[in-house]
Amino acid sequence: DVKVTQSSRYLVKRTGEKVFLECVQDMDHENMFWYRQDPGLGLRLIYFSYDVKMKEKGDIPEGYSVSREKKERFSLILESASTNQTSMYLCASSLPRQGIQVGELFFGEGSRLTVL
Amino acid sequence: AQSVAQPEDQVNVAEGNPLTVKCTYSVSGNPYLFWYVQYPNRGLQFLLKYITGDNLVKGSYGFEAEFNKSQTSFHLKKPSALVSDSALYFCAVSPVFSGGYNKLIFGAGTRLAVHP
Repeated sequence: DVKVTQSSRYLVKRTGEKVFLECVQDMDHENMFWYRQDPGLGLRLIYFSYDVKMKEKGDIPEGYSVSREKKERFSLILESASTNQTSMYLCASSLPRQGIQVGELFFGEGSRLTVL
Repeated sequence: AQSVAQPEDQVNVAEGNPLTVKCTYSVSGNPYLFWYVQYPNRGLQFLLKYITGDNLVKGSYGFEAEFNKSQTSFHLKKPSALVSDSALYFCAVSPVFSGGYNKLIFGAGTRLAVHP
């Protein structure tokens, strides 16, 4: 059974703290993504990676960075957490798109972060 | 700007009745279209996708979706709703010209409530 695992389901942090969200996939997927989910806004792409050590900004990268040192692991980093980063964070992975072959994204369970 | 619209925040339907969850998109070219479902406190699960071919696609759990190019819509349907279908549903598009990254643009989500 395919699996995307996010290490922390619930986190509570204080303003200014550095926060690491870890994601591991066991499907040997090239692509990995970090989204944040907020009510009424759906999912918004923060960063994605298409290969080890490669990363691309998504639609809302400000205040975030990422790291992909191994193919199976993609980390989201909040250098200095702020209250407006309180949200649900979802990690996903997929195979690369090849022509019209478009595979689906596989999602982790999510990490709900509260910044006080 | 490319976008996905889900015009209804919530859809209420009685068990056994047909259901429709609406989705329209504004994306250049012929995008690839997806529906995902999210159960409480879980990640998103893939339901179905449209790439090309027949405008009616069938997916998991008895769901189907109808692609209408002229109306740029991709409505999700089910002939007979179950209480267990109650969840948050997301429409998503993958623009054709997004390279091999398989990025998705998500709608805001529609909450489906099926009443006994």
